[in-house]
Amino acid sequence: DAKTTQPNSMESNEEEPVHLPCNHSTISGTDYIHWYRQLPSQGPEYVIHGLTSNVNNRMASLAIAEDRKSSTLILHRATLRDAAVYYCILRGPIQGAQKLVFGQGTRLTINP
Amino acid sequence: EAGVAQSPRYKIIEKRQSVAFWCNPISGHATLYWYQQILGQGPKLLIQFQNNGVVDDSQLPKDRFSAERLKGVDSTLKIQPAKLEDSAVYLCASSSNRALYNEQFFGPGTRLTVL
Repeated sequence: DAKTTQPNSMESNEEEPVHLPCNHSTISGTDYIHWYRQLPSQGPEYVIHGLTSNVNNRMASLAIAEDRKSSTLILHRATLRDAAVYYCILRGPIQGAQKLVFGQGTRLTINP
Repeated sequence: EAGVAQSPRYKIIEKRQSVAFWCNPISGHATLYWYQQILGQGPKLLIQFQNNGVVDDSQLPKDRFSAERLKGVDSTLKIQPAKLEDSAVYLCASSSNRALYNEQFFGPGTRLTVL
């Protein structure tokens, strides 16, 4: 499985945008970039995923570099409930169920 | 839609004892996963079922861990005998093969403490 590199921790203020980076220099052409987050005392939850183009959903946006060697998860207006560990994960083609290989993730702290 | 259910939520045992965890996935989800999450680390896959067949158990310590998914619905993960290093949160997840992007849905986990 191709590896991802994320900062161990980040801090931001409530109601400000947050940009969480992820490096994946060994990504293959068919790997999708997935983001999950894990709130305190809960299981991980899906946030967003993408292949080449930038993606938006109700939770966040995903900006993917043109060479696909890095990506950024964007929380447009952070709230205290966004404090969590964010995991950037590469997965092969969508067809078929595939395991998630989690790294250490980025622990995001939101200050009131 | 009901989420993934797990029980118990917490369990404390002495080393060398046995313990079992139960998982009920989201209705209709064919794939079920068990992950182990040690404090401060990301979850690590222990075993993956497709219906009632094992797809991947390469990281399951088979000398002490076992899992089954009878009838392709509920699943049980057992540890016998437990070691101190088994202290962790055990997460169950499920996914639908019919889903567009095979999003995995996780349960709240069972926190195991081995003394």
